[in-house]
Amino acid sequence: EDQVTQSPEALRLQEGESSSLNCSYTVSGLRGLFWYRQDPGKGPEFLFTLYSAGEEKEKERLKATLTKKESFLHITAPKPEDSATYLCAANAGNNRKLIWGLGTSLAVNP
Amino acid sequence: GAGVSQSPSNKVTEKGKDVELRCDPISGHTALYWYRQSLGQGLEFLIYFQGNSAPDKSGLPSDRFSAERTGGSVSTLTIQRTQQEDSAVYLCASSSNSGSSPLHFGNGTRLTVT
Repeated sequence: EDQVTQSPEALRLQEGESSSLNCSYTVSGLRGLFWYRQDPGKGPEFLFTLYSAGEEKEKERLKATLTKKESFLHITAPKPEDSATYLCAANAGNNRKLIWGLGTSLAVNP
Repeated sequence: GAGVSQSPSNKVTEKGKDVELRCDPISGHTALYWYRQSLGQGLEFLIYFQGNSAPDKSGLPSDRFSAERTGGSVSTLTIQRTQQEDSAVYLCASSSNSGSSPLHFGNGTRLTVT
């Protein structure tokens, strides 16, 4: 069965303390791995798409990487404004078959 | 440019009433999705529209739920005879195709059934 698991469920960091969020997936025929950020009361905001193992993408303090079994979202020197829930989703054939993780709730303390 | 717009942002209704939720997708996006997000649960797929094709309704939880998309643009999700378990945030998203283009979400409608 196609599945996406995110860990940890919650993470609390001090400002400047780098860390990584994990998204493990078991999907046959992966056609893309999406990362989103969701703020309270808002819809998910698209961050990255990764298509093949070894691919990396960066945006400001965020870098997403992909292997054949998992994806990592690395956060370098986070700031309080990076506090949000980070969601990942695996495309298992087309966008109708997106498999979503439950998210990691990140809190960055000043 | 304008993003996905949803209305109302909040809706409180009494059990048994019907509600309509509206979604205005990004101009030019042919694919439109409705999801439901409940506290502590992942995003639940409800329904998908692509161009003029028949919608994929496989995620609708019961026959009280229906949706339409007029003119390939605006979509309305209707819930009839609402129940307390329908309380959730209903999210609409659009994408430029149904392949692997990223979904762009609206801010959702928070539905509370009392």
